[in-house]
Amino acid sequence: SAVISQKPSRDICQRGTSLTIQCQVDSQVTMMFWYRQQPGQSLTLIATANQGSEATYESGFVIDKFPISRPNLTFSTLTVSNMSPEDSSIYLCSVEILSPSGYTFGSGTRLTVV
Amino acid sequence: QKEVEQNSGPLSVPEGAIASLNCTYSDRGSQSFFWYRQYSGKSPELIMSIYSNGDKEDGRFTAQLNKASQYVSLLIRDSQPSDSATYLCAVKRETSGSRLTFGEGTQLTVNP
Repeated sequence: SAVISQKPSRDICQRGTSLTIQCQVDSQVTMMFWYRQQPGQSLTLIATANQGSEATYESGFVIDKFPISRPNLTFSTLTVSNMSPEDSSIYLCSVEILSPSGYTFGSGTRLTVV
Repeated sequence: QKEVEQNSGPLSVPEGAIASLNCTYSDRGSQSFFWYRQYSGKSPELIMSIYSNGDKEDGRFTAQLNKASQYVSLLIRDSQPSDSATYLCAVKRETSGSRLTFGEGTQLTVNP
C-alpha cells in the first residue's frame, strides 16, 4: 500500500499569514484528497487534486482560501491562506490504495493559528 | 439528514466483551464502505472495507453490511484496552468522484 509523507507535522502561525502543507506519496496516484478535521470532529473533505487539472473543491471551500498544487502524480500541496483562529485544525492528505482496498492518510498537520 | 450517521457514543465495554459500532447512510447509490480507527492525535487507520451484503471477518473484527437497510456495522470481539479509540465509518458513492463521506465517529473505551 502507498506510504504518504506529510509535513509539517505541526505549526503555530500568526493570523493573516499562510501555511503550505506538503504530501509526498511513494507511488503514483491519480487523485489526492485533502481533509480538515476540526477539534473533536470528524473529517471533512476540502478538495480533490488531480494531476494536470484544477482541484475540485467541496461546498464551503474555495480556491482563494485553500489553493492546491498537483505538479505530478506523487506530490501535492495545500496552502491555508490568510489564516484566522477558525482555521486551527488538523489537515490530512489521503490517497486511494488497492491492497488493502480503501484510502490511506498522511500523518496529518496540526495547525494552530494565534 | 446527515449522509452518514454513527451511534453517538461514547461506548464503554469491559475487556473481553464484544463492542458493536453502528452506521447508517442516506444515499442508496453508495457502493463502498470503510471502517477506520483513529487514536487520539493520530491519523485514521483503515481497519475494514466491505462492498457486498453480509459479513466480512478479519481477525477480531467483523464488518456487516445490509444495503436494503442502509446499515453497516463493525463488531470487535474480545475487546482489548488497545482498541480504545474513535471509530469512523466512511462511505463512498461511485458517482461522486471517489470522495469519501465520514460519519462523526464513535469513541470506544475498553476497560481493563
